[in-house]
Amino acid sequence: KAGVTQTPRYLIKTRGQQVTLSCSPISGHRSVSWYQQTPGQGLQFLFEYFSETQRNKGNFPGRFSGRQFSNSRSEMNVSTLELGDSALYLCASTRQDNTGELFFGEGSRLTVL
Amino acid sequence: GENVEQHPSTLSVQEGDSAVIKCTYSDSASNYFPWYKQELGKRPQLIIDIRSNVGEKKDQRIAVTLNKTAKHFSLHITETQPEDSAVYFCAASRKDSSYKLIFGSGTRLLVRP
Repeated sequence: KAGVTQTPRYLIKTRGQQVTLSCSPISGHRSVSWYQQTPGQGLQFLFEYFSETQRNKGNFPGRFSGRQFSNSRSEMNVSTLELGDSALYLCASTRQDNTGELFFGEGSRLTVL
Repeated sequence: GENVEQHPSTLSVQEGDSAVIKCTYSDSASNYFPWYKQELGKRPQLIIDIRSNVGEKKDQRIAVTLNKTAKHFSLHITETQPEDSAVYFCAASRKDSSYKLIFGSGTRLLVRP
C-alpha cells in the first residue's frame, strides 16, 4: 500500500507570493491533517479535514487555508508569504478507527526568500 | 490554551544505558498520548501510545507511563542502541472525532556507541 505522498518536496518562493501544497493520503484514509514543522516551534497543527469538511483548525492566520477533495486528497495554500513561513509542511492521514495513529508524508520544504 | 512541554531538549547517553523523556500537558480533557520518532531527514513515525485509562504500556525496550493527576507522561527507552538516535516528540489530544495533536517541542536523543 502506498504511503502518504506530498508534492512538491521542495520549493522556493519570495515574500508576497502564494503557494499550494498537495497531499495524497493512504488509500482508504479519509482524515487528512497538516502540520508545520520548524526548528524553533516543533510540530504545530494547522488543520484537519474529513470528508471534505474542516473539522479542526490551529492557531494560524487566515493566510493559511486548505481543502479536501472527494477522493480525500488535500491541498493547503499559503497566501502573501512571509519569511517566517519557511518550514517543513507535513501532511498526515489517519484510518477512521480507534487507533489514532497519524501516517505522515515526507513533507514539503518551503523556503521563502 | 492547549500546551505540551517536553524535557530535556537534548539527551546524550551511552549505548546500553536508559533514556527518559518527560512531558507535561495542560488540557485536562486530553486522553490520548502518542510518541513519535523522527530520524534525520525522515518523517515522524509512531512508536508507542497510551490512553488515559491506562497507567503504563510497554513494547519491548520502550515503555510509556501516564500520571493523569499530575498531567504528566514519560517515555522510557532501555538498553539504548545507536539506531535509537533521533528526535522524539510527545503529543496529546482529545480522542474525539478529530485528530488534532498538540506536540511537545522534541527531544534530540544521541546514543553514543
